[in-house]
Amino acid sequence: NAGVTQTPKFQVLKTGQSMTLQCAQDMNHNSMYWYRQDPGMGLRLIYYSASEGTTDKGEVPNGYNVSRLNKREFSLRLESAAPSQTSVYFCASRPLTSGRADEQFFGPGTRLTVL
Amino acid sequence: AQSVTQPDIHITVSEGASLELRCNYSYGATPYLFWYVQSPGQGLQLLLKYFSGDTLVQGIKGFEAEFKRSQSSFNLRKPSVHWSDAAEYFCAVSGGSYIPTFGRGTSLIVHP
Repeated sequence: NAGVTQTPKFQVLKTGQSMTLQCAQDMNHNSMYWYRQDPGMGLRLIYYSASEGTTDKGEVPNGYNVSRLNKREFSLRLESAAPSQTSVYFCASRPLTSGRADEQFFGPGTRLTVL
Repeated sequence: AQSVTQPDIHITVSEGASLELRCNYSYGATPYLFWYVQSPGQGLQLLLKYFSGDTLVQGIKGFEAEFKRSQSSFNLRKPSVHWSDAAEYFCAVSGGSYIPTFGRGTSLIVHP
């Protein structure tokens, strides 16, 4: 199993450009998440998808959109990139086990710089 | 609302010394608690988790953590640190919504 994969690993954008970050998991997990990580801020939730066909906003959704394409794939789109979106982006997935909260499985991250 | 505080931004220890990383949480009911480790340039990996039962939890790489309800704490410990333990450590809490909240992390520096 590859686990959680993310593409690309690195990306440099100019202000105003758009791009889509791709995430896929092969563990048959129900829930998927997008986080951003900034120095001293820990991980902040951008959007999540509790199950296929649903998406919800997290703590910092402004400037982002998501698509849960199918059970495996969850993409994050920046429509008009801004320097404040320079960050490391992590995708995570989690199984849905009734009655408890299983841990999340994380991808390796995408390092995005917006000039 | 749930929250996590990791009071120490950086911790420096000598190789072979013991380690304790602090984590305090806020949640109204019994929480689900996690410790993750992040090596440079990598994603997060689970070290251990607490759901219920025994309050002393054993994890991978020789780590353990103790859930103390009275202190709202879930501190991570290791009796003897190795140079390869140098990394960023994150505590996380989640409740019935299963949406975890992460602390800001503690950076562990290991001196030879």
